[in-house]
Amino acid sequence: QITLKESGPTLVKPTQTLKLTCTFSGFSLSTYGVGVGWIRQPPGKALEWLVLIYWDDDKRYSPSLRSRLAITKDTSNNQVVLAMTDMDPVDTATYYCAHTWQYRGTPYGFDVWGQGTTVTVSS
Amino acid sequence: QSVLTQPPSVSGAPGQRVTISCTGSNSNIGAGFDVHWYQQLPGTAPKLLIYGDSNRPSGVPDRFSGSKSGTSASLAITGLQAEDEATYYCHSYDSSRSVSFGGGTKLTVL
Repeated sequence: QITLKESGPTLVKPTQTLKLTCTFSGFSLSTYGVGVGWIRQPPGKALEWLVLIYWDDDKRYSPSLRSRLAITKDTSNNQVVLAMTDMDPVDTATYYCAHTWQYRGTPYGFDVWGQGTTVTVSS
Repeated sequence: QSVLTQPPSVSGAPGQRVTISCTGSNSNIGAGFDVHWYQQLPGTAPKLLIYGDSNRPSGVPDRFSGSKSGTSASLAITGLQAEDEATYYCHSYDSSRSVSFGGGTKLTVL
């Protein structure tokens, strides 16, 4: 059974860097085709894809946020870490990590999601 | 503004059939990239409902079905039930190497 869980600060100040950890079980991020993505959802708004990382360390970034994002994986500890710089109140959202896989060279559906972690950006 | 366009809301009475559209372009759905659908109940994480245009993960009732044609895709729900009241999102890939979600459609069961 695949599970994922997000962890990190619930409150960050403007201009700070947010660091979130996704700890997962039930799969290995060294298995061919497997990936983990981050998706966020501002209060009352739609889902927004941020970034994903694959088993082979290939990384895909949202073009609009690329300059602010970094993603790394720790395969031995089953974790993926998201860093987002220069946080702003508009970045207030629930942040989800989710399991995905690669199909014909492209990201596929996110089939298992974490419960999400709410991050508020405020001074 | 989402790359994939969905109607903000749809509604239907119990037992009825409703459809939710997802309109893209020749750089995503029209380019042949698969469409996936999610159901998000209030206060919960999204759940994968349909993957690869028309496939249901194990445990998803066959009342839910997906289809695709040209630059658009649709999610159909038959035999509408009160528990189907949720927000539904479509998702696809774009040739700009970006993953896109639709703006979401809130389904109200009357």
